Amino acid sequence: AQKVTQAQTEISVVEKEDVTLDCVYETRDTTYYLFWYKQPPSGELVFLIRRNSFDEQNEISGRYSWNFQKSTSSFNFTITASQVVDSAVYFCALIFSGTYKYIFGTGTRLKVLA
Amino acid sequence: GAVVSQHPSRVICKSGTSVKIECRSLDFQATTMFWYRQFPKQSLMLMATSNEGSKATYEQGVEKDKFLINHASLTLSTLTVTSAHPEDSSFYICSASIGTEAFFGQGTRLTVV
Repeated sequence: AQKVTQAQTEISVVEKEDVTLDCVYETRDTTYYLFWYKQPPSGELVFLIRRNSFDEQNEISGRYSWNFQKSTSSFNFTITASQVVDSAVYFCALIFSGTYKYIFGTGTRLKVLA
Repeated sequence: GAVVSQHPSRVICKSGTSVKIECRSLDFQATTMFWYRQFPKQSLMLMATSNEGSKATYEQGVEKDKFLINHASLTLSTLTVTSAHPEDSSFYICSASIGTEAFFGQGTRLTVV
């Protein structure tokens, strides 16, 4: 079965705190892709990152960083020094080889308080 | 990057009427597009895969007679919600892919009153 689990439904932090959003996935395929998207209140999906199953290198982009660990089937997302503008729902998603259908996690609502 | 445009962004309709939502790939051709539905505070659920020139493939539990999909050209797919009811009120998002990367439309918030 293909599945993405985001156990954290909602997280609240105070501005400038670091926060990590968890994502655990299930797939039997050896070739797959993982994504993170941000959905602000307006609704559109903002692409943040894509990772393929053969690239376990962690990535940093400004205040954002991602930790991909195949051993634990996790693809966690950390925001350093959070800002109010980071408040949104964040979705982790998976597609596997041979299909372009996205399987989304249930999302984590992040609230950053000033 | 590639752009997918979805229209309208917001629509309110009366119960029993039909609503058409358009999804266009502006700067690339998309043989396949996808339609998702998102209920408030929930995840995006795939409704159907729209294939240019052929019938759409619907996910289990999605009524194909209620959600009509037409993919008449390489840049346009339409979703028509027929005989809409209040329970169809939702956020609908389309996407088109280039390889493994999907580009999403801005979404359409449908309210049926």
